[in-house]
Parts: sequence; C-alpha cells; structure tokens
Amino acid sequence: GQQLNQSPQSMFIQEGEDVSMNCTSSSIFNTWLWYKQEPGEGPVLLIALYKAGELTSNGRLTAQFGITRKDSFLNISASIPSDVGIYFCAGQPLPLGGNNRKLIWGLGTSLAVNP
Amino acid sequence: GAGVSQSPSNKVTEKGKDVELRCDPISGHTALYWYRQRLGQGLEFLIYFQGNSAPDKSGLPSDRFSAERTGESVSTLTIQRTQQEDSAVYLCASSLGLGPGELFFGEGSRLTVL
Repeated sequence: GQQLNQSPQSMFIQEGEDVSMNCTSSSIFNTWLWYKQEPGEGPVLLIALYKAGELTSNGRLTAQFGITRKDSFLNISASIPSDVGIYFCAGQPLPLGGNNRKLIWGLGTSLAVNP
Repeated sequence: GAGVSQSPSNKVTEKGKDVELRCDPISGHTALYWYRQRLGQGLEFLIYFQGNSAPDKSGLPSDRFSAERTGESVSTLTIQRTQQEDSAVYLCASSLGLGPGELFFGEGSRLTVL
C-alpha cells in the first residue's frame, strides 16, 4: 500500500543535541501528524498539522506542514533520555471524502539518546 | 480506565486456529480503527468503524479477517485459520471522529502464530 518516505531510519545522538526528521510523499496530503511509540505501547500523538505552511510547537518539539503539502518535518531540541522511541509521521491524503479517514504511515525513525 | 483497552495483550496460537482480539475504546469515541504492526514496521490500516458500521474495510488482508463493533463501543477483530504471516501486534485506536488523525491507541495485542 501507499507509504510515506520517512528519514532517517534511525538516529543515535548525545543528550542535549537537537534532532531533525522528515517525511515526504509523492502526493498531496491534507493533514500531517507526528506520533511517538515507546516499547510495548501504542503510538501517542505529538503534533497535528492541518494547514500548508503551519508551524506548531509542543514543548521542545516543533513540526511544520510543508508548503507543497508533500512533506513535513519534526525537530526535537535539547534531547533528553526520555525522548527515546520510534517517531512516526502519518498523513491523510487527498481527495477528501466522507469515509476518507485512512491515515498513511511512515516506517518510523528510531531515536536513541546517549546520556 | 480512561484509555483504549485491548485484550489479550499477548496471544500465542497454532497455525490454523481462530483468534479473537478485543478492543474497548474510550467512552464516547464514535470512530474506531484497527491497525496491524509487523516487527520493525509502520502501521498498516485494517478497518475503520464509524459507530457500528464499517465504511472502509479496504485494509483487511484476506477473507480470513473480519471485525465487528457493537453498541458503538466494543470491537472484535477475528482472524480465522491463522497463518504464520499473521504474527504481528494488532493495535486498536479510537477518536471522537471529528478529525482523521487524532487517534488514541491501545497498547496492542501481540499475536504469535507458531
């Protein structure tokens, strides 16, 4: 099925460093979302983006909905050990429809933070 | 609890057996989703419920997979004649149905087919 291109696949960083990851698609998306999944848990929504160009922050996290509507990035500033996990992007592709609630997911970015 | 509850959390079964996975969504959430997550992979959409009806079943991988929802609440995902490739974590999520993405996930049911 359709998937988003998410990169990098994995990152190993030192505590305090900033992190950047992104997702791209060949088609236009109406909504971009970023989730975090920790071992043995379901994904948890971090940031939701609904408008092209939108830049939204949630604490140390910042995400942007690309102007072309085909990409999004997530930045984490001053990483800490509890940032460890897998970060997924997800998007709702156009066209919209009454039953179009299917999200397309990236394969995830695995983040490891060395204290 | 106040979150999405799934059971069983772990299920080991033999190839060919049927399994049922249960999801209790957050009270008042009209939309319910089932996803499958294979080891090291992203989430694969299976089926979506709005109320008790399933407008989108396009993700069900084969006719061995079925799901139902009753009382606009509990949902059951049934896999008949399980195969080894069915081994995965099955995640349930619910939402208020107001937007496509603000999903609240359960912890998943890990299925292992021997």
